[in-house]
Amino acid sequence: DIQMTQSPSTLSASAGDRVTITCRASQGIGTWLAWYQHKPGKAPKLLIYKASNLASGVPSRFSGSGSGTEFTLTISSLQPDDFATYYCQQYERYSTFGPGTKVDI
Amino acid sequence: EVQLLESGGDLVQPGGSLRLSCAASGFTFSNYAMSWVRQSPGKGLEWVSSIWGNGYSSYYTDSVKGRFTISRDNSQNTLYLQMSSLSADDTAMYYCARSQLASPTRNAFDIWGLGTLVTVSS
Repeated sequence: DIQMTQSPSTLSASAGDRVTITCRASQGIGTWLAWYQHKPGKAPKLLIYKASNLASGVPSRFSGSGSGTEFTLTISSLQPDDFATYYCQQYERYSTFGPGTKVDI
Repeated sequence: EVQLLESGGDLVQPGGSLRLSCAASGFTFSNYAMSWVRQSPGKGLEWVSSIWGNGYSSYYTDSVKGRFTISRDNSQNTLYLQMSSLSADDTAMYYCARSQLASPTRNAFDIWGLGTLVTVSS
C-alpha cells in the first residue's frame, strides 16, 4: 500500500502569510496527487489535481508542485477564509489520504 | 446545481448492519465513478470504496473488505454502501464523492457531499 505523510501537522499563520505544506508518498506516484481543503461541518473541497492543476473556481493564490514522491501546496497570501485542514491524496493506485495539516491563527 | 446528499447514518450496535445512500443531482450520474470516504472522530480522511460509472467493478480498502459492499442504481442516480459486522472502528462521518471521470482510477474527487454520521456503540 502507498502511505502518505504531511508536514507540518499544524501550522500557525497570519493573514497575508505565504504558506507551504509538504506531502510525501512512500513510493513514486508520478503526478497522481490531489490537495483538498476541509472545514468543520463542510464538504471537503478539491483544490489541486494531478499535482499542479487548479480545480475549477479555486483562487489562483493556491498552487501545487512536485512529482514522484515529494509534493507541495503553496498559498501565496493567506486569506481569512483559508484557515482549514488540508489533505493530500494519492490516486495512482486506489486512494490514500495524508494525515492532514491544520492551518490556524 | 451539482449536488450529493448522503443519508442513512444512525446509531447501530456492534455487529449490526446499516445501508447508506447518496442521492446525486445536477449531472449525468452514470458518467462518473463514485466513492465513499470516511472521517473518524478527531482523525483524517480515509478512502473506503469506489465503483466505476457503469457499476461493473468496485474496490475496497482492506479494513472493510468482506463487510462492506458498494453499489449504485444509475436509473435512480443513487450510490449505496451496505455495511455489516460493524465495530466501533467504523464510527465515522461517511462522505460520498464523485470522481472526475467514469473510472475511479487516476481521477481525483471533485464533488463531495456533507456526509452522514455512523455511530457504532452499545
